[in-house]
Amino acid sequence: NAGVTQTPKFQVLKTGQSMTLQCAQDMNHNSMYWYRQDPGMGLRLIYYSASEGTTDKGEVPNGYNVSRLNKREFSLRLESAAPSQTSVYFCASRTGTSSYEQYFGPGTRLTVT
Amino acid sequence: GENVEQHPSTLSVQEGDSAVIKCTYSDSASNYFPWYKQELGKRPQLIIDIRSNVGEKKDQRIAVTLNKTAKHFSLHITETQPEDSAVYFCAASTSGSSNTGKLIFGQGTTLQVKP
Repeated sequence: NAGVTQTPKFQVLKTGQSMTLQCAQDMNHNSMYWYRQDPGMGLRLIYYSASEGTTDKGEVPNGYNVSRLNKREFSLRLESAAPSQTSVYFCASRTGTSSYEQYFGPGTRLTVT
Repeated sequence: GENVEQHPSTLSVQEGDSAVIKCTYSDSASNYFPWYKQELGKRPQLIIDIRSNVGEKKDQRIAVTLNKTAKHFSLHITETQPEDSAVYFCAASTSGSSNTGKLIFGQGTTLQVKP
């Protein structure tokens, strides 16, 4: 099992450009999450998908959109990148049944200039 | 809104000493409290968790205690080793988390263990 995978690992964007961060899991998990991590701020939830076919906003959704493409894949889109979106982005998943444990991907380091 | 406060933000200890990190939460419906360890440049990984029906849980050198009345929980690491150096995050489940799995994370504690 590869677990949770994310692409790309690193990305540099100019202000106003768009991009999509990809996330996939091969553990047959129901729920998936996107977080951003900034120094001193911990992990903040951007969007989540409790199950295939549903998505909901987290704490900091502004400037982002998501798509739960199927049970395996959950993508995060920045339509018009801003310097404030410079961060490390983590995708996570959990079984969605009796376990609360979340498994994280390796992260994407995004810089917006 | 729902909030998790974590202290201290940085902690430096000598190898072999104990380290304690504390978190408080605001949502009285929270019933699951995990701790994650994140090494530099790596992903967060679960090291221990506790549910609200338990007051303490141990796993070798690490333990977590929970005081539901006071809404706080703590991570205890004994006999610290240099490889314990990392950032530690606490988290708490939120109302409705049984369906959504949502967690609110603390701000993180950078632990440095000096040899």
